[in-house]
Amino acid sequence: AQSVTQPDIHITVSEGASLELRCNYSYGATPYLFWYVQSPGQGLQLLLKYFSGDTLVQGIKGFEAEFKRSQSSFNLRKPSVHWSDAAEYFCAVGKTSYDKVIFGPGTSLSVIP
Amino acid sequence: KAGVTQTPRYLIKTRGQQVTLSCSPISGHRSVSWYQQTPGQGLQFLFEYFSETQRNKGNFPGRFSGRQFSNSRSEMNVSTLELGDSALYLCASSSGQFGRNTEAFFGQGTRLTVV
Repeated sequence: AQSVTQPDIHITVSEGASLELRCNYSYGATPYLFWYVQSPGQGLQLLLKYFSGDTLVQGIKGFEAEFKRSQSSFNLRKPSVHWSDAAEYFCAVGKTSYDKVIFGPGTSLSVIP
Repeated sequence: KAGVTQTPRYLIKTRGQQVTLSCSPISGHRSVSWYQQTPGQGLQFLFEYFSETQRNKGNFPGRFSGRQFSNSRSEMNVSTLELGDSALYLCASSSGQFGRNTEAFFGQGTRLTVV
């Protein structure tokens, strides 16, 4: 069955430290990939997306993600985390055979000042 | 450009009642998707509408229904509310079919509490 996993339920990092959030998917073909962020009580904001082309994509707020076909991964990275980055991060996969977007369970990020 | 507007932001309903939630997509967007978000189940797809036609439906009971109007605004209805329907309901707006060729932009959601 097609699925999206985010192995880390919760991550805590110090402000200024680097960040990597993991995302793995199970899908036969090359999917469309998204990262969204959700602040408490808010909707989801698109950070970046991958449809095709360069496997390293740049997003908003200094985030980037790299698509690795061989590992079925689309990990999100940021070189220096700010306290305002504390939120829930969701990886999502599109162009699935179900013809709908499947979201991962999310990773909660806490930032220590 | 105005974003996705969901109304109301908060709702408290009693078991057995019905509720209607509204979503106004970004101007020019013709696709609206609805998601239910709960702590236990995460984000679950409800349905997607494009140009007034339901294109896809998730695995929810028939108590959950929706529609889309000619101006692309969408409504979602839940009848005979159950305690388990308490959730954040999110609407996503996209110019094409979300996930197949475009990204989606989300509203702030409607927090539904069933008591």
